[in-house]
Amino acid sequence: AQSVTQLGSHVSVSEGALVLLRCNYSSSVPPYLFWYVQYPNQGLQLLLKYTTGATLVKGINGFEAEFKKSETSFHLTKPSAHMSDAAEYFCAVTSIKAAGNKLTFGGGTRVLVKP
Amino acid sequence: DGGITQSPKYLFRKEGQNVTLSCEQNLNHDAMYWYRQDPGQGLRLIYYSQIVNDFQKGDIAEGYSVSREKKESFPLTVTSAQKNPTAFYLCASKLAGDEQFFGPGTRLTVL
Repeated sequence: AQSVTQLGSHVSVSEGALVLLRCNYSSSVPPYLFWYVQYPNQGLQLLLKYTTGATLVKGINGFEAEFKKSETSFHLTKPSAHMSDAAEYFCAVTSIKAAGNKLTFGGGTRVLVKP
Repeated sequence: DGGITQSPKYLFRKEGQNVTLSCEQNLNHDAMYWYRQDPGQGLRLIYYSQIVNDFQKGDIAEGYSVSREKKESFPLTVTSAQKNPTAFYLCASKLAGDEQFFGPGTRLTVL
């Protein structure tokens, strides 16, 4: 079975400050990891993904994440927050062994950006 | 433009009624998924389909039904057996080995 834990259901950052969203996963096989962003009343948009290869992954809108197998983590960062980053962020895991390649999501972290 | 469409955007249902949510994709994706989203609980998988005329239950299939008669379409019916259907419903699709692409969602409210 796979699972994802996102630490902190709400995060507040000042504009220009570092954004750090934490994600820890559990998987008995090599994981595929994803970060999605959701704006109010909209679907999810992929920010970045890790499948194999380089453990530091760069995504859209200046976000990046690092896969750390020893820590079973895939934390999302952005050096300087922008007002447009206010949204909810979801970490998800799947694997080549997962039935239907289905995604297992964390509970989400809502980001508030203060001017 | 290729993408996933869901309709309607907002749906209201009286208790005891069945309702069907539409999901269409023109991305030529093989697999399609239905998720339910409740505040603070992330997304939970209801049903998924990897090929036409085949589908499997997800983690919370009770009270829901689906069909996959065409590659492009994967409608979800919320039946009267679903005791707490008020939620935001998201449809997704993917090619094998690729990430899932999501539709804009349907917000269902039971009156």
